[in-house]
Amino acid sequence: DTGVSQNPRHKITKRGQNVTFRCDPISEHNRLYWYRQTLGQGPEFLTYFQNEAQLEKSRLLSDRFSAERPKGSFSTLEIQRTEQGDSAMYLCASAHSGEQYFGPGTRLTVT
Amino acid sequence: AQSVTQPDIHITVSEGASLELRCNYSYGATPYLFWYVQSPGQGLQLLLKYFSGDTLVQGIKGFEAEFKRSQSSFNLRKPSVHWSDAAEYFCAVGGKAAGNKLTFGGGTRVLVKP
Repeated sequence: DTGVSQNPRHKITKRGQNVTFRCDPISEHNRLYWYRQTLGQGPEFLTYFQNEAQLEKSRLLSDRFSAERPKGSFSTLEIQRTEQGDSAMYLCASAHSGEQYFGPGTRLTVT
Repeated sequence: AQSVTQPDIHITVSEGASLELRCNYSYGATPYLFWYVQSPGQGLQLLLKYFSGDTLVQGIKGFEAEFKRSQSSFNLRKPSVHWSDAAEYFCAVGGKAAGNKLTFGGGTRVLVKP
């Protein structure tokens, strides 16, 4: 059990560019969650998967955001046409039952 | 809708003193309750969880929390803090009714004085 990993750890991009983040969950965890955390705030739920099925998306997830989890293993979160308001820490968590284990996060800075 | 309130944004405590962090939640069904700790620039580490049963739960690093249904509270305590406990602490609520997605409070930043 190596824990949840996320790549990259940091991403600086210019407004209007597309970015993609990857999350590798703990093996055999069937649920995977994405959260966003802005400075000084608690994490906010974005979306989650059970195996490869995306079961819920938050209203925070605009049309510019898309997430996938092919084959029910790793997941990617893509943001198209980034805006300065997208600057945040993007956290991934995986779970087998009720408790979620978080990765270190990807910090996105949009300039 | 589920929500979590952490009334204290900052708490300063002397090393060796006791610590209590407050958490109030709103959830329409049987809640799952969690406390996480976050060090600067890091992800979240699970301290403890409550699903059912004994309302006093023990966690890692000497932390404990008590679930009080009548007060919709899940306060975190530690009898004697160490300098390494300086961090941000988040209370969260979830449950099967919500697909186990978590709703977090705004966090409490703990500063430890030597």
